[in-house]
Amino acid sequence: NAGVTQTPKFQVLKTGQSMTLQCAQDMNHNSMYWYRQDPGMGLRLIYYSASEGTTDKGEVPNGYNVSRLNKREFSLRLESAAPSQTSVYFCASREDRVGEQFFGPGTRLTVL
Amino acid sequence: GNSVTQMEGPVTLSEEAFLTINCTYTATGYPSLFWYVQYPGEGLQLLLKATKADDKGSNKGFEATYRKETTSFHLEKGSVQVSDSAVYFCALIGGSNYKLTFGKGTLLTVNP
Repeated sequence: NAGVTQTPKFQVLKTGQSMTLQCAQDMNHNSMYWYRQDPGMGLRLIYYSASEGTTDKGEVPNGYNVSRLNKREFSLRLESAAPSQTSVYFCASREDRVGEQFFGPGTRLTVL
Repeated sequence: GNSVTQMEGPVTLSEEAFLTINCTYTATGYPSLFWYVQYPGEGLQLLLKATKADDKGSNKGFEATYRKETTSFHLEKGSVQVSDSAVYFCALIGGSNYKLTFGKGTLLTVNP
């Protein structure tokens, strides 16, 4: 099992450009999550999907959109990138309500 | 709402020293509690967990006991190694939304 995979690993964008971060899990988990990690802020939830076909906002959803393409894949889109979106982005998945949450290796995004 | 407060870092120790990282929480009901670890350049991985009061989670020499009376879940290790250098996150799942709430993380550096 590959677990949770994310692409790309690194990305540099100019202000106003758009991009999609891809995430896939091969553990047949129902719920998937997108977080951003910034120094001194811990992990903040951007969006989550409790099951295929549903998505909900987390703490910091502004400037982002998500798509739960199928049970395996959950993508995060930045329509018009801003320097404040410079961060490390982590995707995660979890099988049940209180089980272990598995994280991907992260995408380091810089917006100039 | 739910919240997690953990001791500010960074924490610097010599090899074989005793480690304590404090974590306290606020939550309704009976949350499940977790410690995650993030090694440099990687995603988070579950270190240990406890799902009810007085449970002790343990893994790789680390331990934490779920103390409902003090709403705490302090992480301890009797003898740290250089390889334990990482960021440690306390987290909980509680309430009806089943989302993980993280503390801000504590950077541990162990010197030989």
